[in-house]
Amino acid sequence: DAMVIQNPRYQVTQFGKPVTLSCSQTLNHNVMYWYQQKSSQAPKLLFHYYDKDFNNEADTPDNFQSRRPNTSFCFLDIRSPGLGDTAMYLCATSRENQGQPQHFGDGTRLSIL
Amino acid sequence: QQQVKQSPQSLIVQKGGISIINCAYENTAFDYFPWYQQFPGKGPALLIAIRPDVSEKKEGRFTISFNKSAKQFSLHIMDSQPGDSATYFCAASFRNTGKLIFGQGTTLQVKP
Repeated sequence: DAMVIQNPRYQVTQFGKPVTLSCSQTLNHNVMYWYQQKSSQAPKLLFHYYDKDFNNEADTPDNFQSRRPNTSFCFLDIRSPGLGDTAMYLCATSRENQGQPQHFGDGTRLSIL
Repeated sequence: QQQVKQSPQSLIVQKGGISIINCAYENTAFDYFPWYQQFPGKGPALLIAIRPDVSEKKEGRFTISFNKSAKQFSLHIMDSQPGDSATYFCAASFRNTGKLIFGQGTTLQVKP
């Protein structure tokens, strides 16, 4: 049974048109992460929430934002996507933020046209 | 200092053989070292993990060897099967933040 669920699995959107990706978890984990994974590359951390505390990576583009309205849900908003934002977006959770396994969803494959 | 270097980039092994993937790191602030397996179109799945106070951990056909002094760790897949064909990522997690740094990935193909 999927414990980290991402929707949609595939998303195609136009250059500059805002898009929102969603992630939900049934694990009741404190930490939720968003990663970007481009073709044939490793996942790259964009930001994470520890409970309601938001932590942004220094090199995350400004048009990437996130919301976590409650423990179970987290959203990735891309305000004005560019062609270079075409990638797989992965959500992950962990119970705590130190030395704990991260559990990944199956991702949203986003294509910007 | 934040990098985790993984090799080889790709690996072809015959069914029943041993697959070996190596990783090296520099930063001594890492304290948790997981390996992830990723199939096309799927998210990474945790395979096995080790902490630096242990030199080896075995789970079924998968073994992590860890050399703290050399700052190296490796994944051994014994009796490799075609179903093991996937991309494997090593990673290292910072002690204070839990942030994961991934290696570059190894694409494994196990030939029948």
